[in-house]
Parts: sequence; C-alpha cells; structure tokens
Amino acid sequence: GQSLEQPSEVTAVEGAIVQINCTYQTSGFYGLSWYQQHDGGAPTFLSYNGLDGLEETGRFSSFLSRSDSYGYLLLQELQMKDSASYFCAVRDRGGYQKVTFGIGTKLQVIP
Amino acid sequence: NAGVTQTPKFQVLKTGQSMTLQCAQDMNHEYMSWYRQDPGMGLRLIHYSVGAGITDQGEVPNGYNVSRSTTEDFPLRLLSAAPSQTSVYFCASSYDTGASYNEQFFGPGTRLTVL
Repeated sequence: GQSLEQPSEVTAVEGAIVQINCTYQTSGFYGLSWYQQHDGGAPTFLSYNGLDGLEETGRFSSFLSRSDSYGYLLLQELQMKDSASYFCAVRDRGGYQKVTFGIGTKLQVIP
Repeated sequence: NAGVTQTPKFQVLKTGQSMTLQCAQDMNHEYMSWYRQDPGMGLRLIHYSVGAGITDQGEVPNGYNVSRSTTEDFPLRLLSAAPSQTSVYFCASSYDTGASYNEQFFGPGTRLTVL
C-alpha cells in the first residue's frame, strides 16, 4: 500500500518563499502530483513529477527525488490568495490515473 | 464546456435511506473517480472507472455502488446511509492515455449529512 507524510500546517509571510515537503512509502512508485484546494472549493491540479528533478510552473515549482522517496512543492512570491490546502498524491501501480492523496498541508499566508 | 458537474450540492439523509449522487463530464475523459473528504483524512478513493462498463474499488468502497454505462456519467449510490458516510464527496475525471499521469478535474462536490 501507500502512505504519505506532509506537515499539517505551515504559516508564511506574504512575498516570502515556502516549501511544503512530502515523503512517501509505496509498494511501487510511478509519480508524485500536487493539488491545491481553497476552503469550500474543489482540488485543482498544480504539477506532476514522474522523474527526478524540478518542474517549474510560474511561481510554483515541484521537486522529486525517487531515491529519497521525497518531494516538495515550492511557492515563491507568496500572495494572500495562496492560502489554501496543498495535497501531494502518489500514482498507484493499479493504473495510470489512480492516485493516493496525503492528508494535506494547510498554508496560511500572513501580511 | 461545463467540465465536471455534480448534483446535488447539499443533501441531508436519515440513517437507512438510499440515494444517488450524480456526476457528469463533457470532456470525453476515460477515467472517472469518486473521493470522499473528511477533516484530517485528505481525499480517499471510493470507486473508479477507466471507461464505460469498467469499474473497480478504491480504498473505501464499502456501502457504495457505482456503474458506468456511458463515458459521460458516473453515479455513486449509497445503499443504506449511515452517519459514518457524512462527508464531502468529489467526483473527478481525466484522460487516460495509458502512458502517463494526466491532471484530474474535480467537480464542485456534494456535502452529505446523514442523521
């Protein structure tokens, strides 16, 4: 089976940089994705890492190290609207789209 | 495109009642799935489908049934509602090219309370 660990809460200052870590234990690993969810809203896709390294999309970057079973989401130039929950999810051997989500990290951006 | 739609948005049931949560997508996605979200538990997979006529169980399937008669629709049926099924339910869909992961598009959710 799969298990993922990520911090439950993180607080950061507007304009700063914050890193949200995700470690995983899986019976077979096929990739790590990240989703954002605002309170009362639906999750939305941010990024996917199938191979080691850094993927950059605007202010957001995601990193994966398969040898360390570790990934992180990096948010730069934080804005108040970035206050949300962030979920990492590992792809399951059961199918290309089947993923297991972590419990999420609630990010609070303060002025 | 409407994307992924879910109905109803809110529902209150009594213990033992049955109901169907509706999910539809207009993106011609092969893959559809149902999740439930409880405080502190993240998103847990209930059932999923890789195409019309094909469904499989996820992490927490007990008490739920699904079917996929068309590409567009993937209803979730609660057979006999229990208070433990009080949750927010999300439907999601994505392409399944059989080669790589593709982003999942989530519906707005159904907030279900079982008394």
